[in-house]
Amino acid sequence: AQTVTQSQPEMSVQEAETVTLSCTYDTSENNYYLFWYKQPPSRQMILVIRQEAYKQQNATENRFSVNFQKAAKSFSLKISDSQLGDTAMYFCAFRSETSGSRLTFGEGTQLTVNP
Amino acid sequence: DGGITQSPKYLFRKEGQNVTLSCEQNLNHDAMYWYRQDPGQGLRLIYYSQIVNDFQKGDIAEGYSVSREKKESFPLTVTSAQKNPTAFYLCASVPDRSSYNEQFFGPGTRLTVL
Repeated sequence: AQTVTQSQPEMSVQEAETVTLSCTYDTSENNYYLFWYKQPPSRQMILVIRQEAYKQQNATENRFSVNFQKAAKSFSLKISDSQLGDTAMYFCAFRSETSGSRLTFGEGTQLTVNP
Repeated sequence: DGGITQSPKYLFRKEGQNVTLSCEQNLNHDAMYWYRQDPGQGLRLIYYSQIVNDFQKGDIAEGYSVSREKKESFPLTVTSAQKNPTAFYLCASVPDRSSYNEQFFGPGTRLTVL
C-alpha cells in the first residue's frame, strides 16, 4: 500500500517571501502521479500542481513549482512571492497507475502567510 | 455552470439516526468518490464508484453505504453503525480512469452528531 507523509503540520511565511512544503511517499511502483491540493478557509479543494513520475522535469505553475526527487521519493512544493491568499491547508496526494484514479493523501500542512 | 454540488452544507443528526449526504455532478464524469476529513488526518477514502451501478469500499467503509443508480449522483448514507460520524465529508469526481486527470471536489458537508 502506498503512504504519503507530510512532516510539517504548520508553517508560516512573510508575504512576498518563498516557502517550501515537504512531502514524501512510499511505493514500489514505477509509474505514478503526484499532486498538490490547496484547501483555503472556504474548505474548497483546489488543484495547485501535478507531476508525472516518468517526467524528469519539475512541474511549474506560475508561482508554484515542485522539486521531484524520484529516487528519494520526495515531492516538495515551493511557493514564491507568497501572497495572503496562499493561506490554506496544503495536501500532497499520490496516485499509481494500477490504482485507477484513487488518490492517497498526506495529513496536510497548514500554511499561514503573514502581512 | 458545470460542477459538483453537495447538500446540505451543515447537517445535524441525533445519535442512532441514519442520514444521507447528497453529491451531484453535471460534468459527465464516470468516477465519483467520498472522503472523510478529520483534523490532522487528511482525507480518507470511504467509497468510490468507477461506473454506474458499481462501487467499491475504500479505506474506512464501515458504518457507511452508497448507491450509484445514476451517473450524476452518488449519495452517501451514514448509518447508526458508524461510531464517530462527526466530520467534514467531501465528494469528488474524475472524468475517467486515466491516472493523469485531477479529481474535482464539491464544497463539502459538515456533519455533527448531537
